[in-house]
Amino acid sequence: AQSVTQPDIHITVSEGASLELRCNYSYGATPYLFWYVQSPGQGLQLLLKYFSGDTLVQGIKGFEAEFKRSQSSFNLRKPSVHWSDAAEYFCAVAKINTDKLIFGTGTRLQVFP
Amino acid sequence: DADVTQTPRNRITKTGKRIMLECSQTKGHDRMYWYRQDPGLGLRLIYYSFDVKDINKGEISDGYSVSRQAQAKFSLSLESAIPNQTALYFCATSDAGTGAETQYFGPGTRLLVL
Repeated sequence: AQSVTQPDIHITVSEGASLELRCNYSYGATPYLFWYVQSPGQGLQLLLKYFSGDTLVQGIKGFEAEFKRSQSSFNLRKPSVHWSDAAEYFCAVAKINTDKLIFGTGTRLQVFP
Repeated sequence: DADVTQTPRNRITKTGKRIMLECSQTKGHDRMYWYRQDPGLGLRLIYYSFDVKDINKGEISDGYSVSRQAQAKFSLSLESAIPNQTALYFCATSDAGTGAETQYFGPGTRLLVL
């Protein structure tokens, strides 16, 4: 069965520091992969997605993610974090030819000034 | 105006009561979804609908029902609410396609069942 693991429940970084949020998936073929962000009191917003092609994907708000098939990973990165990036981040996988997303349990990011 | 709206935004109810959560969208999407979010569990799919005549169960449909009244409206009902249905509920929409389509989420309904 498909699954998504986000091993870090909570991460704290200083403003201006680099960030990497981990995501590992379990799926028998190349999946569609997504990162969503949920700001406090808000719904989820798509940051970026991967479904084919270049394994380094650029997203909104300066985020990028790299698909690594050999590691079954799709880690999210940002070179310099801003205080407004404090939120909860969800990795998700979709089975090809369906729209059914399987979400990870989320990583809460806290940013200190 | 928001593309995906949910009403109410907050609701407190008692065990055994029937309640309905409503979702409307102006994005013109055919596909709509209901998820619940619980702390530490992420989002889990309750029901989804690929068009007005198509309703499908997700991974946690027990205790819930849905109605797709129109392309733009998708309602979630709890026939007899119980405390473990206390959660944050999200509606989402997407275009039809191969699965790489973005899902657009509403702001959520926070439900407390006493």
